[in-house]
Amino acid sequence: EAQVTQNPRYLITVTGKKLTVTCSQNMNHEYMSWYRQDPGLGLRQIYYSMNVEVTDKGDVPEGYKVSRKEKRNFPLILESPSPNQTSLYFCASSPTGNEQYFGPGTRLTVT
Amino acid sequence: AQSVTQPDIHITVSEGASLELRCNYSYGATPYLFWYVQSPGQGLQLLLKYFSGDTLVQGIKGFEAEFKRSQSSFNLRKPSVHWSDAAEYFCAVAGVTGRRALTFGSGTRLQVQP
Repeated sequence: EAQVTQNPRYLITVTGKKLTVTCSQNMNHEYMSWYRQDPGLGLRQIYYSMNVEVTDKGDVPEGYKVSRKEKRNFPLILESPSPNQTSLYFCASSPTGNEQYFGPGTRLTVT
Repeated sequence: AQSVTQPDIHITVSEGASLELRCNYSYGATPYLFWYVQSPGQGLQLLLKYFSGDTLVQGIKGFEAEFKRSQSSFNLRKPSVHWSDAAEYFCAVAGVTGRRALTFGSGTRLQVQP
């Protein structure tokens, strides 16, 4: 089944404790992105990648890092999480960079 | 900069009634347009997309949308709503060049009454 998977689905952590949210797709897509969804603000792009080793900032990249060492994986790294990064995070992949297919989401709470 | 407006935050319809969700976009040229649906606790599922050509596009689950360039609109319709359609619906626009990002509207929450 073609899909985007994210782990973990739920995470509660404390301020400053580094964490990684993994994302993997099995559709051989070139493009991958990370979004965060916040009430009243909708979905906003954090980072995107057009191919292996090619990444760039989205609208809200501060406090996040990404890497794309393999085509299928695009982890999101929070080096020092803060409470304002409490959000619902979505990974997405795309064959062309236009229509994007989303993972199930990761709900992160930073206390 | 591209932007998307969904004027209706919340809509309630009766099961079996028709549905139209509004979406207006702002973009310098003809963009790529999408509708996504998000059920509670779920990710976003692509309902339909418009790139070019026929301005009336068909999607999954019986949904359709019409692109109207003169009105900068891309409204979503369904002739007969089912209780399982209750969800949040997002309109999105993607630029045809440059950074690959979807700009989303703020969403419309659909409630279906029996």
